[in-house]
Amino acid sequence: DGGITQSPKYLFRKEGQNVTLSCEQNLNHDAMYWYRQDPGQGLRLIYYSQIVNDFQKGDIAEGYSVSREKKESFPLTVTSAQKNPTAFYLCASLGGSQHFGDGTRLSIL
Amino acid sequence: GEDVEQSLFLSVREGDSSVINCTYTDSSSTYLYWYKQEPGAGLQLLTYIFSNMDMKQDQRLTVLLNKKDKHLSLRIADTQTGDSAIYFCAVRDDKIIFGKGTRLHILP
Repeated sequence: DGGITQSPKYLFRKEGQNVTLSCEQNLNHDAMYWYRQDPGQGLRLIYYSQIVNDFQKGDIAEGYSVSREKKESFPLTVTSAQKNPTAFYLCASLGGSQHFGDGTRLSIL
Repeated sequence: GEDVEQSLFLSVREGDSSVINCTYTDSSSTYLYWYKQEPGAGLQLLTYIFSNMDMKQDQRLTVLLNKKDKHLSLRIADTQTGDSAIYFCAVRDDKIIFGKGTRLHILP
């Protein structure tokens, strides 16, 4: 079955650490997205990529970085510059409609 | 930029119809979507409508689009306890913009 796989489901970060969230899709979609969701809030766009080797900043890109070396993969790195990283992170890809992974919950130790 | 607005909460008795409303600002939106999110999970696409349609029905779900008023609604007939979730309206231009979500609470 085609879909989007995010890993890990839960992730913990120490102060000053960078962490990388994985997102893989086998839907053959060109476009991929990273969103952040805070409790009781909607989705805010961090970064998106319309095609391999290209990506654009979303509304809240500061403290995050991405790469798109392969069509199937769009990893998100939460850097130590992101001062409030605790959130639920959702990856999505877009064909006719947008498909979502099950999310990664990031917490700070 | 594009703005998508939804009410934050809706309470409905089991068996009644639920109507979740959404307004948006960008008239060039091509696709409009409704997603469902259950606790701790990602977003599940429920249904979508093209901007050249007024209505779409899919089993218990009915989507109405009023392009003049830039208003989208989702009606869930015969609401069940399993419908309890957060429902997100989203519109697509060059990227997809989401509303903040409507939390649907089912009363016994």
